[in-house]
This record gives sequence, structure tokens and C-alpha cells, in this order.
Amino acid sequence: AQSVSQHNHHVILSEAASLELGCNYSYGGTVNLFWYVQYPGQHLQLLLKYFSGDPLVKGIKGFEAEFIKSKFSFNLRKPSVQWSDTAEYFCAVNPLYSGAGSYQLTFGKGTKLSVIP
Amino acid sequence: EPEVTQTPSHQVTQMGQEVILRCVPISNHLYFYWYRQILGQKVEFLVSFYNNEISEKSEIFDDQFSVERPDGSNFTLKIRSTKLEDSAMYFCASSETRGGDEQYFGPGTRLTVT
Repeated sequence: AQSVSQHNHHVILSEAASLELGCNYSYGGTVNLFWYVQYPGQHLQLLLKYFSGDPLVKGIKGFEAEFIKSKFSFNLRKPSVQWSDTAEYFCAVNPLYSGAGSYQLTFGKGTKLSVIP
Repeated sequence: EPEVTQTPSHQVTQMGQEVILRCVPISNHLYFYWYRQILGQKVEFLVSFYNNEISEKSEIFDDQFSVERPDGSNFTLKIRSTKLEDSAMYFCASSETRGGDEQYFGPGTRLTVT
């Protein structure tokens, strides 16, 4: 079965610092990849997704992620974080079996980001 | 913007009791999901539902769980005889198409089993 690892449990940054959150997955086949964000008191929202094509994908609020197939990684980046980026970030994988998508998302454990003003 | 809603936001129940968690998916979505997150652990897939039947389920989704779409708007998760280890946040999600599409999540129901 596939699994997703997020290496950082809690990241603390000052405003304007650059962010990179790691995500690795274990699944040998084709996958769809997602980053979800959960702001305090709110529900999970999609930040960005990768299905195919350009491995560098851009999402909302200045976030981007790069898919590196050889490393089974999909790291999230932002060049300059803001206090409002304080949230929990979840990487998720959806494997494709025989060209058809599975229904389920497999999530990583999440990374809490705290941005200090 | 359309949202997935869930009720109640918090449910406290005694061990052995049955609970029903309710969800209203986004109206034009065809695929529905339940996930759960035990405190401090990962969000885990429970089940997906399409065309009035279960399309995929995880090992967690055993005989004590069931799902239903009783009418055109609600999607429910029933836990027949709750155990302490069922205490978790339960998230409902929906999507227009199957797995590869964005899944829209509800705010969750916190279930506490005492």
C-alpha cells in the first residue's frame, strides 16, 4: 500500500523567510499529488495539485511544488512566507491503477507551520 | 462558493452506542468520501461512495461502519456500536469526478466516545 512521509512536524519561520516542506511517497506507479492546507479553525482546502505535465506546479497564495519522480518527492515551497500562512499543511497522494484513479487520498501526517511576525 | 457541511460539529457518545454523522456534499458532486483523523495521527481514508454504492473502502471500514445517501442531499456515516478507539475527527468530502479530482472537505465532526 502507498504511504506518504512529511519530514517536518513543526516548522517555525519569521515573516519573509523562505519555506520548503518535504513530502515523499512510496508507490511505484503513476500518482496524482496534492497539497492541502488547514488554517486554524477551518477545513482542509486544496493548495495545489499535480496530475501530469510540467513538474513545477503553482497554487494559490504564492505556493508552488515540484514533482521529482526519481526521488518520489513533491516538496512545497514559498519564497516569502507571511503570518497568514500559519496553518497545517498536508501532502496527499492518489494512485492511478491501470489508468483509472483510485478513489482514496493517502495523507501524510501534516506539518504545522508557525510564522512569527 | 459551495461548501461541504457536516453536523454535528461535536458528538459525545457512550461506548456501545450507535452514532450517525451527517454530511451535505456539494450539490453537483457525484463522489462522496469519509475520512477520519485520530488525534495526533494521519488523516485516513475510510470509504468512497458513488451511484448509491460503496466504490472503495479501507481496512478500517469494517462491519460496524455503514454509509448511506438517504435522499438527494445527505450522506451519512453510521457507527453501529462505538468503541473508545473510534474517537476521532471525521471528515466528509465530495468531488465531481473520481479520485484524481479535487476533493472538497467539510469542517469535520469531532466524535468523542466515553
